[in-house]
Amino acid sequence: GAVVSQHPSWVICKSGTSVKIECRSLDFQATTMFWYRQFPKQSLMLMATSNEGSKATYEQGVEKDKFLINHASLTLSTLTVTSAHPEDSSFYICSQRGGEPYEQYFGPGTRLTVT
Amino acid sequence: GQNIDQPTEMTATEGAIVQINCTYQTSGFNGLFWYQQHAGEAPTFLSYNVLDGLEEKGRFSSFLSRSKGYSYLLLKELQMKDSASYLCAVMDSNYQLIWGAGTKLIIKP
Repeated sequence: GAVVSQHPSWVICKSGTSVKIECRSLDFQATTMFWYRQFPKQSLMLMATSNEGSKATYEQGVEKDKFLINHASLTLSTLTVTSAHPEDSSFYICSQRGGEPYEQYFGPGTRLTVT
Repeated sequence: GQNIDQPTEMTATEGAIVQINCTYQTSGFNGLFWYQQHAGEAPTFLSYNVLDGLEEKGRFSSFLSRSKGYSYLLLKELQMKDSASYLCAVMDSNYQLIWGAGTKLIIKP
């Protein structure tokens, strides 16, 4: 299966600052990547679908101006949490689709804590 | 609306067998997935069912009945390392994954 990396694996930032999370596809060219958020003891919630070379598609209730997604190349998608607040503290996971529609590979996740 | 139900928590004994059920109602169906997720880690793929029946893979098996909107994950010869959350997810007609809330499995010695 494809290998997906995320950086950083964890980050602590102060309220009001911005944080960028990188998601890299190490061995597969991913035209589509997905960004999820997971709060403690809850399931994954899809935030947005990132498409290489075009604007991301955001799920209902997700602020596109707060969660900036850039998919500039086939191997890199970034999620920037702007003006972070403590309620943005969560586990952020990216995934990419494989060659078949049903294939999806997850990154290791990024733990964001906003103080 | 789309809905996936699975038990919140289950407890089993090391060496035993446990069955985790999942029922779903989604707009379209392109397969059902089971993922394992240890605390603080990303989900790892366990199984994919798109046709009715049982898929066996080592100690883990997954069953699907599309007419009943039902699946289960069967774990045999439980080991302590199997303690984790097990997520049921259905791929809908748009090939998007709809996730259940996960079942936390606690293994006791």
